Amino acid sequence: EAGVTQSPTHLIKTRGQQATLRCSPISGHTSVYWYQQALGLGLQFLLWYDEGEERNRGNFPPRFSGRQFPNYSSELNVNALELEDSALYLCASATGTAGETQYFGPGTRLLVL
Amino acid sequence: QKEVEQNSGPLSVPEGAIASLNCTYSDRVSQSFFWYRQYSGKSPELIMSIYSNGDKEDGRFTAQLNKASQYVSLLIRDSQPSDSATYLCAVTDMDTGRRALTFGSGTRLQVQP
Repeated sequence: EAGVTQSPTHLIKTRGQQATLRCSPISGHTSVYWYQQALGLGLQFLLWYDEGEERNRGNFPPRFSGRQFPNYSSELNVNALELEDSALYLCASATGTAGETQYFGPGTRLLVL
Repeated sequence: QKEVEQNSGPLSVPEGAIASLNCTYSDRVSQSFFWYRQYSGKSPELIMSIYSNGDKEDGRFTAQLNKASQYVSLLIRDSQPSDSATYLCAVTDMDTGRRALTFGSGTRLQVQP
């Protein structure tokens, strides 16, 4: 069974630009979570999508947004990039049941110059 | 606001020894508990999940949960150099409005050959 996939693996942008990160969940999983892991910091929750809807978001500004497509894949958009947005962005998928295990993709490393 | 606390380490143990990793959490409604392992530059991979008080064993790994003390631990028996990584404790609850994992900052484990 294929795991969670993310693209691209690396992304280099300049301050003020927009970044788009993509995630495909495990087959059968309807929930997609996005997390940010900045250097030296822990994993911080960004967004949760389930059945095509945004269900919850973490303590991040509105320039972090995304969507989930009918096939349950998801994209994360970061507008007006700032230097501190440089981080590993992780996508996790789950079946959609409360308390279930989340499985992580390999991540996209975003570098903002 | 949930908080998850872990000793950052590094925890250094000799090969073949038992490594004991600890985690405390502040939110009494937390219901689901997870241990993830993260190698440097990689994404977290699930080691164990635990939902009920007591011990849960899987191979060389044993997770222990004490909800009254708000404490969860991970024991690694016969530690191997390949176990050297950062171990992340994560918690979530059954509230359908919040599903995101709250992570501790991780404990870095070093297994000395």
